[in-house]
Amino acid sequence: AQTVTQSQPEMSVQEAETVTLSCTYDTSENNYYLFWYKQPPSRQMILVIRQEAYKQQNATENRFSVNFQKAAKSFSLKISDSQLGDTAMYFCAFMKHSRGSQGNLIFGKGTKLSVKP
Amino acid sequence: DSGVTQTPKHLITATGQRVTLRCSPRSGDLSVYWYQQSLDQGLQFLIQYYNGEERAKGNILERFSAQQFPDLHSELNLSSLELGDSALYFCASSAGGAGGNTIYFGEGSWLTVV
Repeated sequence: AQTVTQSQPEMSVQEAETVTLSCTYDTSENNYYLFWYKQPPSRQMILVIRQEAYKQQNATENRFSVNFQKAAKSFSLKISDSQLGDTAMYFCAFMKHSRGSQGNLIFGKGTKLSVKP
Repeated sequence: DSGVTQTPKHLITATGQRVTLRCSPRSGDLSVYWYQQSLDQGLQFLIQYYNGEERAKGNILERFSAQQFPDLHSELNLSSLELGDSALYFCASSAGGAGGNTIYFGEGSWLTVV
C-alpha cells in the first residue's frame, strides 16, 4: 500500500521569502504521479502542481516548483516570493498509474502554511 | 473556479437520516470521484465512476452509495447517518479513465449530523 508523509504540520514564512514544504512517499510502483494541492480557508482544493514519475525534469508553475527525487521517494514543494494569498493548507498526493485505481489519490495529512506580512 | 459544481454547499441533518449530495463534473470530463475530508481521517477517497461505470472503490461505507447518470452528473447517497459522518464531501472530476489525468475538485458539501 502506498503512503504519503508530510512531516511538517505547520510552517510560517515572511512575505516575499522562500519556503520549502516536505513530502515523502512509499510505493513499490514505478509509474505514478505526484501532486501538490492547496486548500485555503475557503476549503476548496486547488491544484498547485503535478509531476509525472517518468519525467526527470522537475515541474514548475510560476512561483511554485518541486524537487522530485525518485530514488529517495521525496517530493518537496518550493514557494518563491511568498504572498499573503499563499496562506493555506498544502497537501501532497500520490496516484499510481493504473486503470483500476486511477482515482485513488492518496493524500498526506497536510502542512499548514502561514505567510506573515 | 474549477468547473465542478456541488450541491448543497451546507447540510445539517439528524442521526439516522438519509441525504443525497449532487455533483456536476467539468464540461467534457467523464470521470467523477468522491472524497471525504474529516478531522480524524483526513482526506479519503470514496469511489470513482467513469462514464457511468464504477471504476474504483476506496474506503466507502456500506451505508453510502453513489452513481453516475447518463448526463455524467453524480450523486452520493448517505444513509443511516451517524455523528461520525459529519465531514466535508468533495466531488472531483477528470477527463478520462486512464492514469495521470489531473483531478479537479469542487467546493465541497459540508455535512453536519446532529
